[in-house]
Amino acid sequence: SQKIEQNSEALNIQEGKTATLTCNYTNYSPAYLQWYRQDPGRGPVFLLLIRENEKEKRKERLKVTFDTTLKQSLFHITASQPADSATYLCALVGGSNYQLIWGAGTKLIIKP
Amino acid sequence: GAVVSQHPSWVICKSGTSVKIECRSLDFQATTMFWYRQFPKQSLMLMATSNEGSKATYEQGVEKDKFLINHASLTLSTLTVTSAHPEDSSFYICSASIPGQAWNEQFFGPGTRLTVL
Repeated sequence: SQKIEQNSEALNIQEGKTATLTCNYTNYSPAYLQWYRQDPGRGPVFLLLIRENEKEKRKERLKVTFDTTLKQSLFHITASQPADSATYLCALVGGSNYQLIWGAGTKLIIKP
Repeated sequence: GAVVSQHPSWVICKSGTSVKIECRSLDFQATTMFWYRQFPKQSLMLMATSNEGSKATYEQGVEKDKFLINHASLTLSTLTVTSAHPEDSSFYICSASIPGQAWNEQFFGPGTRLTVL
């Protein structure tokens, strides 16, 4: 069955450093992969989408890579700030209605 | 950007009662909406896909008679939890995508916290 894995342990990063989160998937060949941010008690907020033919996508301090051979996506936040602390979710696009298949998310904590 | 609202934001009810949650797309028409459930520190679990004017498609293991979904218009989908029990207590979130851009970002509502006593 399709499976998405994100590091379940919280990631603690010092302010100003680059935070790197990992998303691995198996038994699937997604055409698109998305990253979302979720704050406690809130719905997820879309950050970036990357297509299977794109190796890298950037948006301000965010960078996403997509390696379809390794079946892995990396999400980077450069010059991290305490306000970046949140849970980050990756999702694969699939299904007839383009349903999203979600990872469990990684909690990121940026320490001042 | 596109905005999705949910109402209520939280609800507490007694066991055995029914609760209706509304999901509205405020500035766009959503032919498809998705309903999710999220337990503490767990991932989003897709419950069903709601298509305007037709029956919802439920994910495996989700009881369609317990979680009634109605998508009567292009801007409103409702989820009714019937005969709620404490194990139904969870965070319920809806989302929608722009028609014709279903592969693109999904816009999420703020969620509804349901507590069944």
